[in-house]
Amino acid sequence: SQELEQSPQSLIVQEGKNLTINCTSSKTLYGLYWYKQKYGEGLIFLMMLQKGGEEKSHEKITAKLDEKKQQSSLHITASQPSHAGIYLCGADIGGSNYKLTFGKGTLLTVNP
Amino acid sequence: GAGVSQTPSNKVTEKGKYVELRCDPISGHTALYWYRQSLGQGPEFLIYFQGTGAADDSGLPNDRFFAVRPEGSVSTLKIQRTERGDSAVYLCASSLEIGQHYEQYFGPGTRLTVT
Repeated sequence: SQELEQSPQSLIVQEGKNLTINCTSSKTLYGLYWYKQKYGEGLIFLMMLQKGGEEKSHEKITAKLDEKKQQSSLHITASQPSHAGIYLCGADIGGSNYKLTFGKGTLLTVNP
Repeated sequence: GAGVSQTPSNKVTEKGKYVELRCDPISGHTALYWYRQSLGQGPEFLIYFQGTGAADDSGLPNDRFFAVRPEGSVSTLKIQRTERGDSAVYLCASSLEIGQHYEQYFGPGTRLTVT
């Protein structure tokens, strides 16, 4: 089974709507990273979370880390077509300090 | 400044051929990583360099895969006797140092297709 599970696998929303993507680990999280990927492009770094209860925001995107639940959520407020893409969570789940394990990604479509 | 760059962006090769994929990390970044992303999957770790040495190559699938970073900057991933199953996007990333405080910045990837 996947060590990092993302849900939902895909999401279609109307422009202006809020949405949440979840990332759950089966192992202890030593660091959690959110990336965005567009087709044919590399991963764009969004946010890094390290401490339980930590919450970070960038523009209309907020990410939280629940260390006890080994889970992180990514919330987008008032979605725009520019938010469309694949959102990937990556985590250091072995305490290596360098090796990231990724979920399969969540494909977000925002309809104008 | 310039981000991580990778060349070529696309590579089509025949089964059994040898390929080299190049990564130019962000200037000054000491750590360099290679990941492989298959269709519909997240990236999977292949190998990590700290400086010139491969500190962890546990993710390389088999001995057909090899990577070097001779001067501690540019890295080349080499695949011998390519197989159709090697088809994927090969992503390179770099970070200033290793550690959970240092985010990994990814390049655009090389899409490898083995026919």
